[in-house]
Amino acid sequence: DVVMTQSPLSLPVTLGQPASISCRSSQSLVHSDGNTYLNWFQQRPGQSPRRLIYQASTRDSGVPDRFSGSGSGTDFTLKISRVEAEDVGVYYCMQTTHSPPYTFGQGTKLEI
Amino acid sequence: QVQLKESGPGLVRPSQTLSLTCAISGDSVSSNTAAWSWIRQSPSRGFEWLGRTYYRSMWIYNYAVSVEGRITVSPDTSKNQFSLQLRSVIPEDTAVYYCARDRGHDMDVWGHGTTVTVSS
Repeated sequence: DVVMTQSPLSLPVTLGQPASISCRSSQSLVHSDGNTYLNWFQQRPGQSPRRLIYQASTRDSGVPDRFSGSGSGTDFTLKISRVEAEDVGVYYCMQTTHSPPYTFGQGTKLEI
Repeated sequence: QVQLKESGPGLVRPSQTLSLTCAISGDSVSSNTAAWSWIRQSPSRGFEWLGRTYYRSMWIYNYAVSVEGRITVSPDTSKNQFSLQLRSVIPEDTAVYYCARDRGHDMDVWGHGTTVTVSS
């Protein structure tokens, strides 16, 4: 199985400041069709996961443009340009290139 | 828009069978462009993809090695839903269980999740 490793696991931030989360995979996430199926999810306290980014860098509909995803191969990053209070929660990366099974990172807790 | 809703018992006794259902609205369990997955989340194991089913001229089933032999994912076309059965449960199967839609590497819709506790 593909192992997904996130860092840091805890990220204290200041409102209005940027934040960055790293995700590394044990194998390249480039699929044979040429796409890279790396997703980022946000899970607010007490809620189900909400996908923010798919295919490494494409924002889902309704996701604020302060969220951006980048990376390729085995190294990926989620950036928040200016953290807002509503961004508090846990962020997960998930690969859907190699299936089954899809695999997830351990999560990064973003706290103000 | 597409919505998924999990339902089932919140408490299951050890060695018994965990049974959950995911009701689909806005899409079809028989869609030839989607697959239907079960995922769980626990403090000790994080997120764990368990299994899926999809229809491509015939029904296909994929299961995680960690639960293979204990798991069955089944479609119910008459009710447009799919189910999860996990047999011989142990306390470590305690988790929040989610169903999700997968449109070819694209897990875009998740249910709200249902908490299942395995305890005597």
